[in-house]
Amino acid sequence: SQTIHQWPATLVQPVGSPLSLECTVEGTSNPNLYWYRQAAGRGLQLLFYSVGIGQISSEVPQNLSASRPQDRQFILSSKKLLLSDSGFYLCAWNKWGPYEQYFGPGTRLTVT
Amino acid sequence: QKEVEQNSGPLSVPEGAIASLNCTYSDRGSQSFFWYRQYSGKSPELIMSIYSNGDKEDGRFTAQLNKASQYVSLLIRDSQPSDSATYLCAVIQGGGGFKTIFGAGTRLFVKA
Repeated sequence: SQTIHQWPATLVQPVGSPLSLECTVEGTSNPNLYWYRQAAGRGLQLLFYSVGIGQISSEVPQNLSASRPQDRQFILSSKKLLLSDSGFYLCAWNKWGPYEQYFGPGTRLTVT
Repeated sequence: QKEVEQNSGPLSVPEGAIASLNCTYSDRGSQSFFWYRQYSGKSPELIMSIYSNGDKEDGRFTAQLNKASQYVSLLIRDSQPSDSATYLCAVIQGGGGFKTIFGAGTRLFVKA
């Protein structure tokens, strides 16, 4: 069966510090991978998606970036965090036949 | 701008009643539709997917899709306090892409 991991689970970072969040998927190959952000009391905002190694599509221009160095690894990064980067960051992967999307446990980021 | 609209609620129903959650979408090309349940502080969990017009039942959950009216609904029969959560409607953007558009969610409270 497929499993998706995210770490860390929670993170408190000062403004201006760097960020690296990691997501890995087990039990599947060549999945589409997604990064979403959910601000407090808000809906899900798609940040990035990837259909393969090194292939990243950005949905929202901001100070975040994403990379996919391996088939089942997706990384979200920032060089300098802003207060507005606080939120719940969710990684997701999709299953084919039929298409369904599943989420990891998430990382709660607080920028102070 | 392709959108998914939900009543934010909260929707309050007594235990044992039927909870009815509604969602409309703007992209006529959408073909895949989903309902996620999100408990406070947790990541969304896929509970129903529907791809063709009509009803789809799974246990106490029934999803209903009407593509002509661009309308998706979720019925929860015999509601339990454990069903209290935010329910997210999600739609795959039409045109053959992989992007999922989420509604902001409806908060459901089931009173014991």
